[in-house]
Amino acid sequence: DAGVIQSPRHEVTEMGQEVTLRCKPISGHDYLFWYRQTMMRGLELLIYFNNNVPIDDSGMPEDRFSAKMPNASFSTLKIQPSEPRDSAVYFCASSFGQGRGYTFGSGTRLTVV
Amino acid sequence: DQQVKQNSPSLSVQEGRISILNCDYTNSMFDYFLWYKKYPAEGPTFLISISSIKDKNEDGRFTVFLNKSAKHLSLHIVPSQPGDSAVYFCAAWSNTGKLIFGQGTTLQVKP
Repeated sequence: DAGVIQSPRHEVTEMGQEVTLRCKPISGHDYLFWYRQTMMRGLELLIYFNNNVPIDDSGMPEDRFSAKMPNASFSTLKIQPSEPRDSAVYFCASSFGQGRGYTFGSGTRLTVV
Repeated sequence: DQQVKQNSPSLSVQEGRISILNCDYTNSMFDYFLWYKKYPAEGPTFLISISSIKDKNEDGRFTVFLNKSAKHLSLHIVPSQPGDSAVYFCAAWSNTGKLIFGQGTTLQVKP
């Protein structure tokens, strides 16, 4: 398996633009997580899905952020409109069962100017 | 509110010496703890874990210690190697089904 695949690896956008981050989890994994890495807070959980259903989105910063998982092999995290303070590395992770260890993707580095 | 805290943003040690990375948590309901390692431009990868019913878990050069009364855990790397240079994240499994991470500690092992 190729692991968790995220795209794009880097994204630079202007403030106010819509940004869409993509994730393909490991086949067979039924949990998918979106994290954001910042210097101050480390890895913050934004939202997670179980069997394509959002379970907990309490970490989503505000209404500008939304996430979907239309099927077991694809998820998106959208920011609209984007702001400079959204600049961070966004990670997607997946797991089989509510297990202890997650497999992370390589992340998307987002820069909003 | 940061439930898992790594108060040292960085640590520098000499090759061959011991590296000790520390982590504190606030929620006594956490029952499983993990350490992840992250290299630049890569995602975090699982390193070692410990259940709350244990106070020590060892895997090769890596040992994790858990002090439940102090709500503190630490990762010991002995001997440290230059390839260990990375960001280390402490994480705790909550009873709400979330894996909660700390801020991370950047370890530099000097040759």
